[in-house]
Amino acid sequence: AQRVTQPEKLLSVFKGAPVELKCNYSYSGSPELFWYVQYSRQRLQLLLRHISRESIKGFTADLNKGETSFHLKKPFAQEEDSAMYYCALKLMGNGYNKLIFGAGTRLAVHP
Amino acid sequence: SQTIHQWPATLVQPVGSPLSLECTVEGTSNPNLYWYRQAAGRGLQLLFYSVGIGQISSEVPQNLSASRPQDRQFILSSKKLLLSDSGFYLCAWSVSAGNQPQHFGDGTRLSIL
Repeated sequence: AQRVTQPEKLLSVFKGAPVELKCNYSYSGSPELFWYVQYSRQRLQLLLRHISRESIKGFTADLNKGETSFHLKKPFAQEEDSAMYYCALKLMGNGYNKLIFGAGTRLAVHP
Repeated sequence: SQTIHQWPATLVQPVGSPLSLECTVEGTSNPNLYWYRQAAGRGLQLLFYSVGIGQISSEVPQNLSASRPQDRQFILSSKKLLLSDSGFYLCAWSVSAGNQPQHFGDGTRLSIL
């Protein structure tokens, strides 16, 4: 069955420290993965997608098919990175895309 | 530009009462539309999706239903709410071509008393 696992509910770091938010998936097909972020009092929004191979706000994520992981990383955390982060797996079919979300990880960056 | 509106933002309802949450999208045609529920510590669960007017697919058996009476309108309903229906409900849309991300509304926090 398709599943997305984010093992950490809360990740607490100090400003300037490296950050890694873990995401593992279970999917028999070719995965397409996303990271969504929700800042305080803002709506859920796309942060990055693996097919774009981009860096957004200093964050990167590499798809590792061998380890079935898509961990989100940033070398130096900033206080404004504090938010709820969700990893999501896209399933395709008949002109739609369905997202399966992980439970989310709250990142708290302290000064 | 495309926008998505969801209302109400918060709602408190007694057990057994009906429910109607509305979501509308502007600035695009024939979007895919989605209803999610977010429960504490459990991520977002897809409840319904729609690829066109009158076309609804249900992901999980539940006390809720969805309808799409117009191209850019998606409604989440219940005839009789249960305590377990409490939660945070999110509407989302995407371009109908498959390789596009989803865009979310602000959500509705529903509390059942």
